[in-house]
Amino acid sequence: EDQVTQSPEALRLQEGESSSLNCSYTVSGLRGLFWYRQDPGKGPEFLFTLYSAGEEKEKERLKATLTKKESFLHITAPKPEDSATYLCAVQAYGSARQLTFGSGTQLTVLP
Amino acid sequence: EPEVTQTPSHQVTQMGQEVILRCVPISNHLYFYWYRQILGQKVEFLVSFYNNEISEKSEIFDDQFSVERPDGSNFTLKIRSTKLEDSAMYFCASRGQGAGAYEQYFGPGTRLTVT
Repeated sequence: EDQVTQSPEALRLQEGESSSLNCSYTVSGLRGLFWYRQDPGKGPEFLFTLYSAGEEKEKERLKATLTKKESFLHITAPKPEDSATYLCAVQAYGSARQLTFGSGTQLTVLP
Repeated sequence: EPEVTQTPSHQVTQMGQEVILRCVPISNHLYFYWYRQILGQKVEFLVSFYNNEISEKSEIFDDQFSVERPDGSNFTLKIRSTKLEDSAMYFCASRGQGAGAYEQYFGPGTRLTVT
Protein backbone atom coordinates (compact mmCIF):
# COMPACT_ATOMS: atom_id res chain seq x y z
CA GLU A 1 0.00 0.00 0.00
CA ASP A 2 1.32 3.42 -0.97
CA GLN A 3 1.96 5.74 1.98
CA VAL A 4 2.88 9.39 2.29
CA THR A 5 3.96 11.02 5.56
CA GLN A 6 4.50 14.74 5.87
CA SER A 7 6.29 16.64 8.60
CA PRO A 8 5.96 18.82 10.47
CA GLU A 9 2.17 18.93 10.77
CA ALA A 10 2.33 22.66 11.37
CA LEU A 11 5.05 25.27 10.96
CA ARG A 12 5.08 28.90 11.99
CA LEU A 13 7.73 31.15 10.45
CA GLN A 14 8.53 34.79 10.62
CA GLU A 15 8.49 36.60 7.30
CA GLY A 16 11.87 36.04 5.65
CA GLU A 17 12.71 32.97 7.76
CA SER A 18 13.55 30.14 5.34
CA SER A 19 12.67 26.52 6.12
CA SER A 20 11.89 23.12 4.61
CA LEU A 21 8.91 20.80 4.62
CA ASN A 22 9.42 17.04 4.42
CA CYS A 23 7.49 14.35 2.56
CA SER A 24 8.47 10.70 3.08
CA TYR A 25 6.93 8.09 0.85
CA THR A 26 6.71 4.38 0.20
CA VAL A 27 5.32 3.35 -3.14
CA SER A 28 5.55 0.20 -5.23
CA GLY A 29 6.94 2.10 -8.20
CA LEU A 30 7.04 5.88 -8.29
CA ARG A 31 5.67 7.42 -11.45
CA GLY A 32 5.64 10.93 -10.00
CA LEU A 33 5.61 12.97 -6.80
CA PHE A 34 3.45 16.07 -6.66
CA TRP A 35 3.30 19.14 -4.47
CA TYR A 36 0.08 21.08 -4.10
CA ARG A 37 -0.91 24.14 -2.14
CA GLN A 38 -4.31 24.22 -0.45
CA ASP A 39 -5.93 27.31 0.99
CA PRO A 40 -8.76 26.91 3.55
CA GLY A 41 -11.99 25.72 1.93
CA LYS A 42 -10.39 25.50 -1.52
CA GLY A 43 -9.18 22.78 -3.85
CA PRO A 44 -5.51 21.76 -4.10
CA GLU A 45 -3.51 24.01 -6.44
CA PHE A 46 -0.80 22.28 -8.45
CA LEU A 47 2.78 23.42 -7.78
CA PHE A 48 5.33 20.83 -8.96
CA THR A 49 5.83 17.35 -10.38
CA LEU A 50 9.06 15.44 -9.71
CA TYR A 51 9.76 12.20 -11.55
CA SER A 52 13.17 10.90 -10.51
CA ALA A 53 15.69 11.11 -7.68
CA GLY A 54 17.93 14.14 -7.96
CA GLU A 55 15.37 16.22 -9.78
CA GLU A 56 14.67 19.78 -8.61
CA LYS A 57 11.96 22.28 -9.58
CA GLU A 58 11.66 25.95 -8.62
CA LYS A 59 8.88 28.48 -8.63
CA GLU A 60 9.33 31.89 -7.04
CA ARG A 61 10.25 31.27 -3.37
CA LEU A 62 9.61 27.51 -3.54
CA LYS A 63 12.02 24.75 -4.53
CA ALA A 64 11.13 21.06 -4.52
CA THR A 65 13.67 18.25 -4.46
CA LEU A 66 13.37 14.48 -4.65
CA THR A 67 15.35 11.51 -3.35
CA LYS A 68 14.48 7.83 -3.49
CA LYS A 69 12.65 8.00 -0.16
CA GLU A 70 11.58 11.60 0.38
CA SER A 71 10.96 15.01 -1.05
CA PHE A 72 11.58 18.43 0.41
CA LEU A 73 9.81 21.68 -0.27
CA HIS A 74 12.19 24.51 0.53
CA ILE A 75 10.70 27.93 1.17
CA THR A 76 13.14 30.81 0.86
CA ALA A 77 12.34 34.16 2.49
CA PRO A 78 8.62 33.40 2.84
CA LYS A 79 5.93 36.06 2.83
CA PRO A 80 2.57 36.04 4.64
CA GLU A 81 0.84 35.15 1.36
CA ASP A 82 2.72 31.84 1.38
CA SER A 83 0.60 30.78 4.35
CA ALA A 84 -1.35 27.67 3.32
CA THR A 85 -1.37 23.89 3.70
CA TYR A 86 1.18 22.20 1.47
CA LEU A 87 0.22 18.73 0.30
CA CYS A 88 2.49 16.03 -1.06
CA ALA A 89 1.09 13.21 -3.20
CA VAL A 90 2.50 10.20 -5.05
CA GLN A 91 1.39 8.44 -8.18
CA ALA A 92 2.35 4.82 -8.72
CA TYR A 93 2.99 2.79 -11.82
CA GLY A 94 0.29 0.30 -12.65
CA SER A 95 -2.44 2.59 -11.38
CA ALA A 96 -5.01 4.76 -13.12
CA ARG A 97 -2.72 7.60 -12.06
CA GLN A 98 -4.72 8.41 -8.97
CA LEU A 99 -2.92 10.35 -6.27
CA THR A 100 -2.18 9.21 -2.72
CA PHE A 101 -1.92 12.25 -0.49
CA GLY A 102 -0.16 12.99 2.77
CA SER A 103 -1.85 14.87 5.59
CA GLY A 104 -0.13 18.12 4.69
CA THR A 105 1.94 20.74 6.49
CA GLN A 106 0.04 23.82 7.61
CA LEU A 107 2.39 26.76 7.10
CA THR A 108 1.80 30.11 8.77
CA VAL A 109 4.09 33.02 7.90
CA LEU A 110 3.87 35.89 10.34
CA PRO A 111 4.54 39.47 9.21
CA GLU B 1 -6.28 30.11 -17.73
CA PRO B 2 -8.49 27.00 -18.03
CA GLU B 3 -9.83 25.69 -14.76
CA VAL B 4 -12.03 22.96 -13.32
CA THR B 5 -15.36 24.21 -12.04
CA GLN B 6 -17.75 22.53 -9.61
CA THR B 7 -21.36 23.11 -8.59
CA PRO B 8 -22.85 23.61 -6.13
CA SER B 9 -20.24 25.05 -3.79
CA HIS B 10 -22.24 23.83 -0.79
CA GLN B 11 -24.96 21.20 -0.62
CA VAL B 12 -26.98 20.38 2.48
CA THR B 13 -29.07 17.22 2.39
CA GLN B 14 -30.87 14.90 4.73
CA MET B 15 -29.66 11.37 5.43
CA GLY B 16 -31.03 8.93 2.87
CA GLN B 17 -31.47 11.51 0.13
CA GLU B 18 -29.77 11.37 -3.26
CA VAL B 19 -27.30 14.06 -4.27
CA ILE B 20 -25.57 14.84 -7.55
CA LEU B 21 -22.34 16.81 -7.56
CA ARG B 22 -21.35 18.38 -10.84
CA CYS B 23 -18.00 19.17 -12.40
CA VAL B 24 -16.85 20.74 -15.64
CA PRO B 25 -13.29 19.53 -16.30
CA ILE B 26 -10.73 21.45 -18.35
CA SER B 27 -11.96 21.27 -21.93
CA ASN B 28 -9.22 19.23 -23.62
CA HIS B 29 -8.68 16.85 -20.71
CA LEU B 30 -9.71 13.22 -21.05
CA TYR B 31 -9.07 11.74 -17.59
CA PHE B 32 -11.34 12.62 -14.71
CA TYR B 33 -11.23 11.93 -10.99
CA TRP B 34 -13.25 12.40 -7.82
CA TYR B 35 -11.60 12.79 -4.42
CA ARG B 36 -13.02 13.62 -1.04
CA GLN B 37 -11.62 15.26 2.07
CA ILE B 38 -13.34 14.78 5.41
CA LEU B 39 -12.73 17.78 7.66
CA GLY B 40 -9.22 17.62 9.13
CA GLN B 41 -8.27 14.48 7.18
CA LYS B 42 -6.32 13.58 4.06
CA VAL B 43 -7.55 14.00 0.52
CA GLU B 44 -8.73 10.50 -0.51
CA PHE B 45 -9.14 9.03 -3.98
CA LEU B 46 -12.63 7.84 -4.90
CA VAL B 47 -12.73 7.02 -8.61
CA SER B 48 -11.05 7.61 -11.96
CA PHE B 49 -12.90 7.78 -15.28
CA TYR B 50 -11.68 7.57 -18.86
CA ASN B 51 -13.33 6.87 -22.19
CA ASN B 52 -16.77 6.72 -20.58
CA GLU B 53 -15.93 4.08 -18.05
CA ILE B 54 -14.48 3.71 -14.59
CA SER B 55 -10.78 2.86 -14.79
CA GLU B 56 -10.21 2.43 -11.06
CA LYS B 57 -12.09 2.92 -7.81
CA SER B 58 -11.23 2.86 -4.13
CA GLU B 59 -12.86 0.87 -1.33
CA ILE B 60 -14.79 4.01 -0.41
CA PHE B 61 -16.55 4.00 -3.78
CA ASP B 62 -19.22 1.41 -3.01
CA ASP B 63 -22.58 0.73 -4.64
CA GLN B 64 -24.01 3.97 -3.25
CA PHE B 65 -21.73 5.96 -5.56
CA SER B 66 -21.85 6.33 -9.32
CA VAL B 67 -20.21 8.58 -11.90
CA GLU B 68 -21.34 9.71 -15.30
CA ARG B 69 -20.30 11.95 -18.16
CA PRO B 70 -23.76 12.85 -19.47
CA ASP B 71 -22.50 15.15 -22.22
CA GLY B 72 -19.26 16.52 -23.65
CA SER B 73 -18.55 18.85 -20.77
CA ASN B 74 -20.03 17.66 -17.47
CA PHE B 75 -18.80 14.95 -15.10
CA THR B 76 -21.04 14.00 -12.20
CA LEU B 77 -20.82 12.10 -8.93
CA LYS B 78 -24.06 10.67 -7.56
CA ILE B 79 -24.58 9.41 -4.04
CA ARG B 80 -27.82 7.44 -3.96
CA SER B 81 -28.63 7.36 -0.26
CA THR B 82 -26.46 9.70 1.74
CA LYS B 83 -25.12 8.85 5.19
CA LEU B 84 -23.84 11.16 7.89
CA GLU B 85 -20.30 9.95 7.19
CA ASP B 86 -20.55 11.17 3.58
CA SER B 87 -20.20 14.74 4.88
CA ALA B 88 -16.98 16.02 3.31
CA MET B 89 -15.49 18.24 0.64
CA TYR B 90 -15.69 16.55 -2.74
CA PHE B 91 -13.11 17.54 -5.34
CA CYS B 92 -13.18 16.86 -9.04
CA ALA B 93 -9.88 16.74 -10.91
CA SER B 94 -8.85 16.32 -14.53
CA ARG B 95 -5.66 15.78 -16.48
CA GLY B 96 -4.58 15.76 -20.08
CA GLN B 97 -2.84 12.99 -22.00
CA GLY B 98 0.52 12.49 -23.59
CA ALA B 99 4.04 12.23 -22.23
CA GLY B 100 4.44 13.88 -18.85
CA ALA B 101 0.76 14.81 -18.53
CA TYR B 102 0.53 13.36 -15.07
CA GLU B 103 -0.48 16.37 -13.02
CA GLN B 104 -4.10 16.68 -12.03
CA TYR B 105 -5.92 19.99 -11.76
CA PHE B 106 -8.50 20.28 -9.04
CA GLY B 107 -11.75 22.18 -8.83
CA PRO B 108 -12.74 24.36 -5.86
CA GLY B 109 -14.80 21.56 -4.32
CA THR B 110 -18.35 20.98 -3.16
CA ARG B 111 -18.94 20.94 0.57
CA LEU B 112 -21.52 18.23 1.26
CA THR B 113 -23.26 18.36 4.63
CA VAL B 114 -25.54 15.44 5.52
CA THR B 115 -27.89 16.05 8.44
